[in-house]
Amino acid sequence: DIQMTQSPSSLSASVGDRVTITCRASQSVSNFLHWYQQKPGKAPKLLIYAASSLQSGVPSRFSASGSGTDFTLTISSLQPEDFATYHCQQTYIIPYGFGQGTKLEIK
Amino acid sequence: QVQLVESGGGVVQSGGSLRLSCAASGFSFSSYGIHWVRQAPGKGLEWVSFIRYDGSDKYYAGSVKGRFTVSRDNSKNTVYLQMNSLRPEDAAVYYCSKDRSAWELRGSNSFDIWGQGTMVTVSS
Repeated sequence: DIQMTQSPSSLSASVGDRVTITCRASQSVSNFLHWYQQKPGKAPKLLIYAASSLQSGVPSRFSASGSGTDFTLTISSLQPEDFATYHCQQTYIIPYGFGQGTKLEIK
Repeated sequence: QVQLVESGGGVVQSGGSLRLSCAASGFSFSSYGIHWVRQAPGKGLEWVSFIRYDGSDKYYAGSVKGRFTVSRDNSKNTVYLQMNSLRPEDAAVYYCSKDRSAWELRGSNSFDIWGQGTMVTVSS
């Protein structure tokens, strides 16, 4: 199975900050890498698909890049509604694994 | 609007069975593959299963293979997850989610719509 590792596991930041979360795959997943946002008690929400494509309706302050094994999600200017947990996921090879999540908290 | 609604969760004894349902609306259901993803309390997301748009192929995580069976009834816009021989480690919120692209053979195009989840508790 492909292992997905996110860093950091948690992150404290302030409104207006620029933050970056990384995701590393144990082997290449090409661009079959997606990012989700999850708020407590809610289902995940798709933010980014195919490594860098912004899902419809997602604010442009979210961006992502990478291919192969190393990926990043960047939020250019944190808004209060962005404090949540972020998950990366590969859909290159079944089983479609997720990273352990990065919890973004208010400083 | 595009929607998935799970049902069927509950409390079951270890070794027992449960069948989850995922009812879809607002999109051409028979064109899209559906995934099941679970999340144990305080833990990360775990992909569980995928069923192709026409039900012709199914995939499972190793942790549930041989115990869980996914199926669909396109006439009812519903996907099912039959869970047998349940273990305490199967306790989680179970979400169904829709593949972002139609006609995907292996559901590899990200999951764009998710249900609200249904809780499964397994007592030992």
